Amino acid sequence: AQSVTQLDSQVPVFEEAPVELRCNYSSSVSVYLFWYVQYPNQGLQLLLKYLSGSTLVESINGFEAEFNKSQTSFHLRKPSVHISDTAEYFCAVSRPGGYQKVTFGTGTKLQVIP
Amino acid sequence: EAQVTQNPRYLITVTGKKLTVTCSQNMNHEYMSWYRQDPGLGLRQIYYSMNVEVTDKGDVPEGYKVSRKEKRNFPLILESPSPNQTSLYFCASSRGAGNQPQHFGDGTRLSIL
Repeated sequence: AQSVTQLDSQVPVFEEAPVELRCNYSSSVSVYLFWYVQYPNQGLQLLLKYLSGSTLVESINGFEAEFNKSQTSFHLRKPSVHISDTAEYFCAVSRPGGYQKVTFGTGTKLQVIP
Repeated sequence: EAQVTQNPRYLITVTGKKLTVTCSQNMNHEYMSWYRQDPGLGLRQIYYSMNVEVTDKGDVPEGYKVSRKEKRNFPLILESPSPNQTSLYFCASSRGAGNQPQHFGDGTRLSIL
């Protein structure tokens, strides 16, 4: 079985400050990892994903996440946040091989303070 | 435009009155899922479908039914809704393999009184 833990339910941060949203997973086999973002009154959108290869993955809007197998983590970072980054962020895990269930974390609400 | 469309977006109803939430995708995806989102619990999978006429239970299937008669549609049926089914519901579709991202609808907020 696989699971995802997002330790922080809410993260307030001032505009232009750096932020890290933490995600830890548990799985006995290799994994695929995703970060999704949910803006108010919208569905989830894919932010970035790790499938294989380089452990550092980036999104088009300045977020990055690093896969750390030894620490079973996939933390999301941004060096300078904007008001528009205010949203809820979900970490998710799945596994290789045909259809595989996607397990989501409980989400972290990022509140950017002007 | 690639999209997953859910209807209705909002619904207030009463206990026991059957309701259906529709979901349609235009990406020819094989796989579709229903989730419910509750504060502090994240997204929990209700049912999923790997193709037409192939469905299976997710983590919280009690009180729900689904059908997949056409590839593009995956309706969620609450035959006798109860207040504990008050929640925000999302439909999602994907190509299915574990490395494929899911595409989500905008959600349906259900209130069961």
